[in-house]
Amino acid sequence: QVQLQESGPGLVKPSETLSLTCTVSGGFISSYYWSWIRQPPGKGLEWIGYIYYSGSATYNPSLKSRVTISLDTSKNQFSLKLTSVTAADTAVYYCAREVNGYYPNSYYMDVWGKGTTVTVSS
Amino acid sequence: IVLTQSPATLSLSPGERATLSCRASQSVNNYLAWYQQKPGQAPRLLIFDASNRATGIPARFSGSGSGTDFTLTISSLEPEDFAVYYCQQRSNWLTFGGGTKVEIK
Repeated sequence: QVQLQESGPGLVKPSETLSLTCTVSGGFISSYYWSWIRQPPGKGLEWIGYIYYSGSATYNPSLKSRVTISLDTSKNQFSLKLTSVTAADTAVYYCAREVNGYYPNSYYMDVWGKGTTVTVSS
Repeated sequence: IVLTQSPATLSLSPGERATLSCRASQSVNNYLAWYQQKPGQAPRLLIFDASNRATGIPARFSGSGSGTDFTLTISSLEPEDFAVYYCQQRSNWLTFGGGTKVEIK
């Protein structure tokens, strides 16, 4: 079955760029929406953005100025870049696959990676 | 769209019925999902399109509601059901509720 695995540095300095990659195995990235979600320590889930297999991305308005999500279909990977990080960006970062529900515009995250912890600290 | 979940914490015993609420600040049609998250784990999809169980989800989990008011019901709590539950909408951007923790009484 499809599995997702996040990878990237666990420690990022303030003001630098956080870069993570999600590798998709057991299936092809060339379909579905692919999302990034984060969870600060002890807090709830925050959607960062998603990208369609065509390459079209949509971002959380609160993060839009700092976020880029991209796709590499040849490697079956998608990536997250978050610029100018601060301590508030410390979180567990998850990647997830979104599948269509029963309605044309309904999508839900049915497969998740295990998450990777990113700490922003000097 | 803001999703407000209540209560924040639900203290129940195994075998009891759990009723969790999710209220949206405006209509999300039926584009609402529920997820379960256990400590140290990623969330797991339970319910999509308000009332449809995801693959492999036991029948004791059910979802209902439409528009702005939604409910997740666990008919009889099993020990493995004690966790945090989140609702999520994708009708307008994508947002999660703040979560309801179901804890053992």
